[in-house]
Amino acid sequence: AQSVTQLGSHVSVSEGALVLLRCNYSSSVPPYLFWYVQYPNQGLQLLLKYTSAATLVKGINGFEAEFKKSETSFHLTKPSAHMSDAAEYFCAALYTGANSKLTFGKGITLSVRP
Amino acid sequence: NAGVTQTPKFRILKIGQSMTLQCTQDMNHNYMYWYRQDPGMGLKLIYYSVGAGITDKGEVPNGYNVSRSTTEDFPLRLELAAPSQTSVYFCASRNDRGASYEQYFGPGTRLTVT
Repeated sequence: AQSVTQLGSHVSVSEGALVLLRCNYSSSVPPYLFWYVQYPNQGLQLLLKYTSAATLVKGINGFEAEFKKSETSFHLTKPSAHMSDAAEYFCAALYTGANSKLTFGKGITLSVRP
Repeated sequence: NAGVTQTPKFRILKIGQSMTLQCTQDMNHNYMYWYRQDPGMGLKLIYYSVGAGITDKGEVPNGYNVSRSTTEDFPLRLELAAPSQTSVYFCASRNDRGASYEQYFGPGTRLTVT
């Protein structure tokens, strides 16, 4: 079955440190890939997406992600964490086809220490 | 545009009661989705619709029903509420034209069944 794996449930970084959130997909055919952010008590907001154009994708709030087919990965990074980045982050894959649907990872909670 | 709106924001139900979660989008999107979010589990697809009059089951449809009589509205019905349906429910929509594939999410409905 097609799946999205986000290892770990919680990541804690210091303010100003590198943020790295990992995401791997399971498919021999690369899907479209998305990172969503969810702030407390809010809905999901799109951070960035990969739809088979450039492999390095830049998103909002200084985040970026690199699609690596050889590693079936789409890790999210930000060079310098800010307190406002504390949230839950979801990786999702869209395996295209008839009535294509998003498959979500379980999410990772990012904490940022002062 | 208001985007995707959901009502109510919060609701407490007793076991066996029924209710309808409302979802409306004003972006003229054909695709609409209902998800439930449980801690540490990511988002699970309940039902989806590819257009007015067309609905289909997702990953976890048991205990729910949907209808899609208009492009804008996609209500989710719980007939006999059970404690296992305590969750946060998100509605989403997307365009089926072009290559965006981005889903837009509503703010969620937090449901407690006791």
